[in-house]
Amino acid sequence: AQSVTQLGSHVSVSEGALVLLRCNYSSSVPPYLFWYVQYPNQGLQLLLKYTSAATLVKGINGFEAEFKKSETSFHLTKPSAHMSDAAEYFCAVLSGGYNKLIFGAGTRLAVHP
Amino acid sequence: DTAVSQTPKYLVTQMGNDKSIKCEQNLGHDTMYWYKQDSKKFLKIMFSYNNKELIINETVPNRFSPKSPDKAHLNLHINSLELGDSAVYFCASSQGQGDDGELFFGEGSRLTVL
Repeated sequence: AQSVTQLGSHVSVSEGALVLLRCNYSSSVPPYLFWYVQYPNQGLQLLLKYTSAATLVKGINGFEAEFKKSETSFHLTKPSAHMSDAAEYFCAVLSGGYNKLIFGAGTRLAVHP
Repeated sequence: DTAVSQTPKYLVTQMGNDKSIKCEQNLGHDTMYWYKQDSKKFLKIMFSYNNKELIINETVPNRFSPKSPDKAHLNLHINSLELGDSAVYFCASSQGQGDDGELFFGEGSRLTVL
């Protein structure tokens, strides 16, 4: 069965600093992996996805993630944090058909001036 | 012009009551979902319908009954509410029943059971 683990339930960075949110996956087949973002009191929004094409995936709002099979990781990065990036970030893996997504526990990103 | 809309946004009720949450999408998608987000923000899929047919049914108490009158609507009815049902329930939709993992979520319905 596929699963994802997000390391760190809370991450705090200064505005302008590098953002690094960690996600490791477990999958018996080549995984399809995703990052979603949830702003306060809103639904989730897709940031980016990996579906076995390029290992470095670029998403919206300047975020990118790199698929590393050797490390079973799919970490999310952004070179320079903005205040507006403060949100909850979820890593997810596709499990079986019908777009069934299994989500990690989420990482809350705080950005301070 | 909301793509996936849920009503109500907030629902406070007593244990033992029955309540419904409605969801509508105007994206023309074929597949709709219900997810439950608990107090620790953990998200878990409950159900999925494709063109009014149930295709995903996770281990959910049978007090929860989804209904899809057409492919643009997916409602969730909960009988005999319990304290543990308190959560945010998210509706989502996707195009087709493929593997692109791109779900469009509503803003959630926060259910509080007292």
